[in-house]
Amino acid sequence: GEQVEQLPSILRVQERSSASINCTYENSASNYFPWYKQEPGENPKLIIDIRSNMERKQIQGLIVLLDKKAKRFSLHITDTQPADSAMYFCAASASGGSNYKLTFGKGTLLTVTP
Amino acid sequence: EAAVTQSPRNKVAVTGGKVTLSCNQTNNHNNMYWYRQDTGHGLRLIHYSYGAGSTEKGDIPDGYKASRPSQENFSLILELATPSQTSVYFCASGHRGSSYEQYFGPGTRLTVL
Repeated sequence: GEQVEQLPSILRVQERSSASINCTYENSASNYFPWYKQEPGENPKLIIDIRSNMERKQIQGLIVLLDKKAKRFSLHITDTQPADSAMYFCAASASGGSNYKLTFGKGTLLTVTP
Repeated sequence: EAAVTQSPRNKVAVTGGKVTLSCNQTNNHNNMYWYRQDTGHGLRLIHYSYGAGSTEKGDIPDGYKASRPSQENFSLILELATPSQTSVYFCASGHRGSSYEQYFGPGTRLTVL
């Protein structure tokens, strides 16, 4: 199986600053690492992902870094806005094949204050 | 975007009763998943399926059964509901192939009294 640890569980930043969330995983065979954003009362939605053949990926103000050696990956939100306030989940794929099973971290509640 | 719907959206059940949560997806995805979400635990996988007629145990299957009668439908069944199963349940679907992305339904809030 897979275990994913996510820190911090709560993060509060000021508008226009950066926010960083870190995750570690155990299974060296994991090869896919998505990040989901969940607004209150809504379902989780994929915002960015990275595969094991990459070390860095950026989509606008979202940056994901992957360190396979350390089994660590992170999400960096630059120039945060109040609209970025939400719960964020990292995940890792436990196995390949046809199952594409994801193991999620416990989540980070991000609050961006004006 | 994949369309995943769940019913009911809210459910109150009594301890010992049977509860069935339904999920339907219209994008012909092979894989479907059931998660529960609890504060402090994130999303935990209960059962999943990689096609009609198949069900697999996830990380926390005890007390739950699943049924995948067709490509579109995936049900989660609580034969004897307990208060510890009070939670928000999310169904998700994903395509078997090069994309690992999972699309989540709107969730079902289940309260077991």
